Amino acid sequence: AQSVTQLGSHVSVSEGALVLLRCNYSSSVPPYLFWYVQYPNQGLQLLLKYTSAATLVKGINGFEAEFKKSETSFHLTKPSAHMSDAAEYFCAVSGGSGGSNYKLTFGKGTLLTVNP
Amino acid sequence: NAGVTQTPKFQVLKTGQSMTLQCAQDMNHEYMSWYRQDPGMGLRLIHYSVGAGITDQGEVPNGYNVSRSTTEDFPLRLLSAAPSQTSVYFCASSLRDALLPLHFGNGTRLTVT
Repeated sequence: AQSVTQLGSHVSVSEGALVLLRCNYSSSVPPYLFWYVQYPNQGLQLLLKYTSAATLVKGINGFEAEFKKSETSFHLTKPSAHMSDAAEYFCAVSGGSGGSNYKLTFGKGTLLTVNP
Repeated sequence: NAGVTQTPKFQVLKTGQSMTLQCAQDMNHEYMSWYRQDPGMGLRLIHYSVGAGITDQGEVPNGYNVSRSTTEDFPLRLLSAAPSQTSVYFCASSLRDALLPLHFGNGTRLTVT
C-alpha cells in the first residue's frame, strides 16, 4: 500500500530563511506525489504535484519540490520564508490499496511557523 | 462561482443521533470525496464518488453512508453518531479523479458527546 511519512510535525523558521519540509514515500507503483497547504480555518489547496514529467517541480508562492527516486523523497523547499507561509503542509501520494487514481493518502502534516 | 460549499460549519451531536453533512459544488466536477481530519492523523479518505450513482469506500468508511444522486451534491450521513466520529470533515472535488487538483470546502467541525 502507498504511504507517506512527513518528518517533523512542527518546523519553525525565521522570516527570510530557507524552508525545508521533508516527505518520504512508499509506493508499489510509480507514484504521483502532491503537496497541499492548509491555512487556518480553511480547506486544503494544491501547492504542486509530481507526475513523472520532471523531477524538479515548481509550485505556487515560490515553493518547489524535488522527486528523488533513490531516496524515495519529495521534500518541499522555498528559498526565503514569508510570514504568509505560516500554515500546515501535507504531503500526499496517489493510490491507497491497489494503486487507485481515486484515492490520495495524506501524511500527518507539518505545521510551519514563521518568526519575524 | 462558489466552488465547494459545506454545511453546516459546526455541529454538536449526542451519541446515537443521526445527521447529514452537506456538500455541493458548482464546477461540474465528476469526482467528489469526503475526508476526516484529526489532530496528528492528517486526512483520511472516507468515501468517494466518480459520478452520479457511483460511490466507493475509502480508508475509513465504517459508520458513514454516502449517495450521489446528482453531479452537484454528495452528502455524508452518520446513522448513529459515536464520540470517535468527532472530527473536522472536508469535502473535495475535481474534474475527474484524485490526480487532478482537489478543490476543498472549508470543512464541518463535528463534536459528538
